[in-house]
Amino acid sequence: DAMVIQNPRYQVTQFGKPVTLSCSQTLNHNVMYWYQQKSSQAPKLLFHYYDKDFNNEADTPDNFQSRRPNTSFCFLDIRSPGLGDAAMYLCATSRDLNRVTEAFFGQGTRLTVV
Amino acid sequence: ELKVEQNPLFLSMQEGKNYTIYCNYSTTSDRLYWYRQDPGKSLESLFVLLSNGAVKQEGRLMASLDTKARLSTLHITAAVHDLSATYFCAVDKGSQGNLIFGKGTKLSVKP
Repeated sequence: DAMVIQNPRYQVTQFGKPVTLSCSQTLNHNVMYWYQQKSSQAPKLLFHYYDKDFNNEADTPDNFQSRRPNTSFCFLDIRSPGLGDAAMYLCATSRDLNRVTEAFFGQGTRLTVV
Repeated sequence: ELKVEQNPLFLSMQEGKNYTIYCNYSTTSDRLYWYRQDPGKSLESLFVLLSNGAVKQEGRLMASLDTKARLSTLHITAAVHDLSATYFCAVDKGSQGNLIFGKGTKLSVKP
């Protein structure tokens, strides 16, 4: 059974039109992460939540925001997508920050910007 | 700044052959991860190495960690076509749980 579920799997959005990607987890993990992976590149962390505490990476553009209304759900909002934001967006969870033994990744959402 | 370097970045090998992928990282860390990614898919966790000298094996893959050398290896034994994928190593940046990934090794196993 899928433990980290991302919706949708594929998203096409227009240049400049706000888009939201969704992630849910059944693991009851404290930490949820959003990674961006551009074609043929390594995943790059955008931000993470530890419970309700939000931690933004220093080089994450302001265009990217996140919400975590409860333990199970986390959303990635892209306020004004540009062509350069086309990528695979990966959500991951882990039990704790200080005892990271494994991060569980969702199937990803592939975002296309037209 | 933590840097993670993998080599080779591309690897074409014949079925039945052995090979090793190397992962070097630049600062102290005792947590290293190996992931597999198939084209268009997400990351599948292969190994979590948590201490110096750790060695883990699963099927034809074996991973090891030398924290003093800041080096991890992923050894492939008697490769089969099903192992064709991109393999990433990742190092934990610290208590913030930020994984820094290497650029990945794209493995192609040919008959």
